[in-house]
Amino acid sequence: KAGVTQTPRYLIKTRGQQVTLSCSPISGHRSVSWYQQTPGQGLQFLFEYFSETQRNKGNFPGRFSGRQFSNSRSEMNVSTLELGDSALYLCASSSSGGGLGTQYFGPGTRLLVL
Amino acid sequence: GQNIDQPTEMTATEGAIVQINCTYQTSGFNGLFWYQQHAGEAPTFLSYNVLDGLEEKGRFSSFLSRSKGYSYLLLKELQMKDSASYLCAVTAAGNKLTFGGGTRVLVKP
Repeated sequence: KAGVTQTPRYLIKTRGQQVTLSCSPISGHRSVSWYQQTPGQGLQFLFEYFSETQRNKGNFPGRFSGRQFSNSRSEMNVSTLELGDSALYLCASSSSGGGLGTQYFGPGTRLLVL
Repeated sequence: GQNIDQPTEMTATEGAIVQINCTYQTSGFNGLFWYQQHAGEAPTFLSYNVLDGLEEKGRFSSFLSRSKGYSYLLLKELQMKDSASYLCAVTAAGNKLTFGGGTRVLVKP
């Protein structure tokens, strides 16, 4: 099976702009979770989608949003970008979700906000 | 909430053994994962412990004590390619997967 794919792999934006990241899970996986990874904060959970519904949400401001499509592909959007949003954004898919199944990570999207 | 602690960094010699400890506090514990992450790459799954005891998988073993809120990852016969960060993550009922800060392991020749 093909692994989790994320696009784009690298992105440079300026403050105030918005960005949309995409994630395609492993075939058959219905859960997609998003994480932000920074050197100072480590891996932090953003949200999880399962069958097009947001099932869990982390402690991030409303500027961070996501959605999942019927084919389980997911997108994450960040509006009004801030310098502190510079990070590696990882998505992970699993068959069961809710933290119960093993999560398989994509290669990530590295976002730089100038 | 959940609280997960693991050492920030460890150094070991090629061929040696290193043990990475992870302590956690959580309610409704379901299981504990260990992931390996090389610099600039995505985390890759190493092990999953649900019940108390030792799970062995080649050179890597993971141990869990639910009553003590404690786990460790044991890396044997260290190789240079084992230099990476090792992430402990806990899952609780109905909640997301919460990661510790990661332990950077440096293997020296």
